[in-house]
Amino acid sequence: GENVEQHPSTLSVQEGDSAVIKCTYSDSASNYFPWYKQELGKRPQLIIDIRSNVGEKKDQRIAVTLNKTAKHFSLHITETQPEDSAVYFCAAFRTQAAGNKLTFGGGTRVLVKP
Amino acid sequence: DGGITQSPKYLFRKEGQNVTLSCEQNLNHDAMYWYRQDPGQGLRLIYYSQIVNDFQKGDIAEGYSVSREKKESFPLTVTSAQKNPTAFYLCASRQESAGELFFGEGSRLTVL
Repeated sequence: GENVEQHPSTLSVQEGDSAVIKCTYSDSASNYFPWYKQELGKRPQLIIDIRSNVGEKKDQRIAVTLNKTAKHFSLHITETQPEDSAVYFCAAFRTQAAGNKLTFGGGTRVLVKP
Repeated sequence: DGGITQSPKYLFRKEGQNVTLSCEQNLNHDAMYWYRQDPGQGLRLIYYSQIVNDFQKGDIAEGYSVSREKKESFPLTVTSAQKNPTAFYLCASRQESAGELFFGEGSRLTVL
């Protein structure tokens, strides 16, 4: 089955600096790659996603890049703010005969220091 | 809130007891999922269902059971066979034609 590796597991940045989180996936058939943000004790919420026919997508301070050949994708947060502190999860999705599964990475705990 | 309702929010169980976590969605989504989250860990898939009366095991299905008798409901039973059930359980749903997974607020189960 699909395996998603996420690095780093923790990331501490100074407010205003950039943060980068990287994920690799194993199944070349995966074609949808969302990123979720989870604040302490709350549900994960989608912040950005990318499909396999696109190489990069931006939404204000957040961007995601996808390299299908290398099977990795990254989340970039620029001009970080204290409210960006949370756990971030990447995921990979594929359609298979038995059903549709969304496999998550292990998460990255981001701390933005004021 | 968010179209997916999980209950109860907090649940305490004695060892050897079965418990059922409720998940209801009013988003008319076809697919529903159950994930388990342990402290400082990622999300692991327990079971998922694409259509009514059909469901598949995820990566950690042992000790759990589900049913999908109605499109809007996907309850999860944590049985006594689950050796370490203390965790945060998240239910989610998605429309097959779209990508985004919508999560409920979660149920925190503690075994005493």
